[in-house]
Amino acid sequence: SYELTQPPSVSVSPGQTASITCSGDKLGDKYACWYQQKPGQSPVLVIFEDSKRPSGIPERFSGSNSGNTATLTISGTQAMDEADYYCQAWDSRIAVFGGGTKLTVL
Amino acid sequence: QVQLVQSGSELKKPGASVKVSCKASGYTFTTYALNWVRLAPGQGLEYMGWIHTNTGKPTYAQGFAGRFVFSLDTSVTTAYLQISSLKAEDTAVYFCARTLYGGHTTDFMDVWGQGTTVTVSS
Repeated sequence: SYELTQPPSVSVSPGQTASITCSGDKLGDKYACWYQQKPGQSPVLVIFEDSKRPSGIPERFSGSNSGNTATLTISGTQAMDEADYYCQAWDSRIAVFGGGTKLTVL
Repeated sequence: QVQLVQSGSELKKPGASVKVSCKASGYTFTTYALNWVRLAPGQGLEYMGWIHTNTGKPTYAQGFAGRFVFSLDTSVTTAYLQISSLKAEDTAVYFCARTLYGGHTTDFMDVWGQGTTVTVSS
């Protein structure tokens, strides 16, 4: 079955750029989405179709996808961005989530 | 506004069954597929599958066929997740989320329910 691999944790200082990677076989041939989840809350879509931002998502969130790796980039990271982030793609009509990355802003 | 509202928390004993509901409002119910995702304690998001809201046809991810059943009542724009023969490892928060097509490569889950906590304990 298809697998997506994320680093378990990423740390960033406020105002700096955070990059979270998501690796999968020929992931660049698929579309990647990214979700943000804070404790006790439902996931929120922050990037779809590799690099598109839904309405209401700040411009500091951006995405890319090429080769075997999709990347979520948060520019000018703020304390409110501290959360778990999950990448997701589809394989044979079934969604696959990465294991999640805990972003710490310190 | 567009929303998915799920039923409340459940506490069940091992071997029992539970039915979680997900009521859609603010959009045409049959235009979007409904997906089920769970978050077990200390784990990441796990995809369970989706149901086609026009035909009622469910598609289950590996490991979720059998004890897990997706169903609909289109008259009340509600999707259901029923879990039978509950085990302790089914303890999790269960989310419903909509996608435009259902399993399509361009799909994304843009609206999520608030989650339903199911606790299985003797």
